[in-house]
Amino acid sequence: DGGITQSPKYLFRKEGQNVTLSCEQNLNHDAMYWYRQDPGQGLRLIYYSQIVNDFQKGDIAEGYSVSREKKESFPLTVTSAQKNPTAFYLCASSPDRGQGYDGYTFGSGTRLTVV
Amino acid sequence: SQKIEQNSEALNIQEGKTATLTCNYTNYSPAYLQWYRQDPGRGPVFLLLIRENEKEKRKERLKVTFDTTLKQSLFHITASQPADSATYLCALVGGSQGNLIFGKGTKLSVKP
Repeated sequence: DGGITQSPKYLFRKEGQNVTLSCEQNLNHDAMYWYRQDPGQGLRLIYYSQIVNDFQKGDIAEGYSVSREKKESFPLTVTSAQKNPTAFYLCASSPDRGQGYDGYTFGSGTRLTVV
Repeated sequence: SQKIEQNSEALNIQEGKTATLTCNYTNYSPAYLQWYRQDPGRGPVFLLLIRENEKEKRKERLKVTFDTTLKQSLFHITASQPADSATYLCALVGGSQGNLIFGKGTKLSVKP
């Protein structure tokens, strides 16, 4: 079955460490996105990529980095520069490069906690 | 400023009744509006998309309306069931990068 796989489901990070969240899709979608979700807040866009080897900053990109070397993969690194990284991270993809006429497919999320 | 608001944080209804959720937006002119369902600890799941030239869209027990004059979309679940309990998000394309902007969601609880 086609879908998006995020791993790990739970991740614990010590202060000062970088961690990488994995996102893989087998839907042959061009566009991929990373959102952050905090309690009581909507989803906020961190980074997005419309094609391989190209990505753009979203509204809250500071302290995060991404790469898009393959169409299927869009890993997110949470760096030590991100001051408040504890959150639920969601990866999504869409076939329409963000025009909005197709729904996004989301992964099941990674819950990151700083310890 | 641009805003997308879902007026109720939570909505409690009795099984069998119709649930109506509201999504209002300000300073956007979306060509499409989308609705998603999110269960606790899971990613959102796409439910319906409605275009600006469609007044109403139906899918099984779901109905969505889109009023571009009022800048509002209504999401209805008829004959609601406890299994419909979840958070429902509306979304539209409106970010500076042309990405989806999400409302904060309405948590629906359907009591037996």
